Amino acid sequence: GIQVEQSPPDLILQEGANSTLRCNFSDSVNNLQWFHQNPWGQLINLFYIPSGTKQNGRLSATTVATERYSLLYISSSQTTDSGVYFCAVAGGGGATNKLIFGTGTLLAVQP
Amino acid sequence: EAQVTQNPRYLITVTGKKLTVTCSQNMNHEYMSWYRQDPGLGLRQIYYSMNVEVTDKGDVPEGYKVSRKEKRNFPLILESPSPNQTSLYFCASSFGPSGFEQYFGPGTRLTVT
Repeated sequence: GIQVEQSPPDLILQEGANSTLRCNFSDSVNNLQWFHQNPWGQLINLFYIPSGTKQNGRLSATTVATERYSLLYISSSQTTDSGVYFCAVAGGGGATNKLIFGTGTLLAVQP
Repeated sequence: EAQVTQNPRYLITVTGKKLTVTCSQNMNHEYMSWYRQDPGLGLRQIYYSMNVEVTDKGDVPEGYKVSRKEKRNFPLILESPSPNQTSLYFCASSFGPSGFEQYFGPGTRLTVT
């Protein structure tokens, strides 16, 4: 099956700093999503981005499907950005809608 | 507001006492699924459903049952819960299979003692 690797595993930032999170995947995909899991455990949809670039406020994401990676950019970080960021992918074919999740990047933003 | 809802959000129960976690979506999605999240193991799919009365096993279906009698609802049933089913559970829905964006519910934290 498809393997998903995220880096870095942990990241500590001062408020206001910028960061880049990376997601590498081992095979072609037809779905890639970024999620933020907040300290209360909720999974928040950030981006649906199987290819291309999207921006939403201070967050943006880029997926280069041909090179099998995606990047999540966080600018001017805030303490509320703390939590775990997951990349999840799905490959083509089959009836399932299963997403394969990476192991996540744990982000701590300090005031 | 388009959303996936789950109830209860938190549950503590005892071994062997049957329980149901409900999931409902208001987006007219065909596909629904259940995941569990465990430390060190990540999120794993339990069951999924492609439409009313059509369900299939995911990666970790043992000890769980599901039903899809209405398009909007997809309950997860634990007929005889055990401590190894203590986990954080998520329901998700999408318009179609793998290429479609999935929307997740807020999660249900289950503890089985």
